[in-house]
Amino acid sequence: NAGVTQTPKFQVLKTGQSMTLQCAQDMNHEYMSWYRQDPGMGLRLIHYSVGAGITDQGEVPNGYNVSRSTTEDFPLRLLSAAPSQTSVYFCASSYSIPTSGGPGELFFGEGSRLTVL
Amino acid sequence: KNQVEQSPQSLIILEGKNCTLQCNYTVSPFSNLRWYKQDTGRGPVSLTIMTFSENTKSNGRYTATLDADTKQSSLHITASQLSDSASYICVVSAYSGGGADGLTFGKGTHLIIQP
Repeated sequence: NAGVTQTPKFQVLKTGQSMTLQCAQDMNHEYMSWYRQDPGMGLRLIHYSVGAGITDQGEVPNGYNVSRSTTEDFPLRLLSAAPSQTSVYFCASSYSIPTSGGPGELFFGEGSRLTVL
Repeated sequence: KNQVEQSPQSLIILEGKNCTLQCNYTVSPFSNLRWYKQDTGRGPVSLTIMTFSENTKSNGRYTATLDADTKQSSLHITASQLSDSASYICVVSAYSGGGADGLTFGKGTHLIIQP
């Protein structure tokens, strides 16, 4: 049972380059989300999705795009990388949408560590 | 604004000792409170999820308490082991508000267990 799989685990980019962080889950979860984790900041929501074809912005969406064409996949695209996007990115999924009141556990991937030079 | 405050920021204890981590929140309307453990270089893993009506919940040597009246939660670790060294994150879920997805994250407590 793979759970939530993120690739790549490590990536170094130059300013202005674009790339996609991949996220896939095999638990048939409707809810998926992307967070970034920076020292002293905690986890901050970038984008989330409550089902295939539905995405919405989180707390820090600028510079990132997402799409949800299937239930399983939720890629995060960096359009033009900036040093401020150096961070650790986590993808997560849950059976239930948090605001629904359901106690659905949030499953996280192992993280993608991105450095922008 | 919904907020989750955790204390202490960091804690060092000797192996075998007990410790308690604190989480205070101002999240409304409250849905549930979650504790996660995050090992260095790994993703967070759920320890407990507590709803409004639950006061105490245990997961092995981890016991979480919730006081919905004072909006406080604690995570007690009994007989600590070296593998308990990690960051512990408190997350509060709201039916609406909070983060865009209803979750408000604390910044975590960094726990170090020394042999």
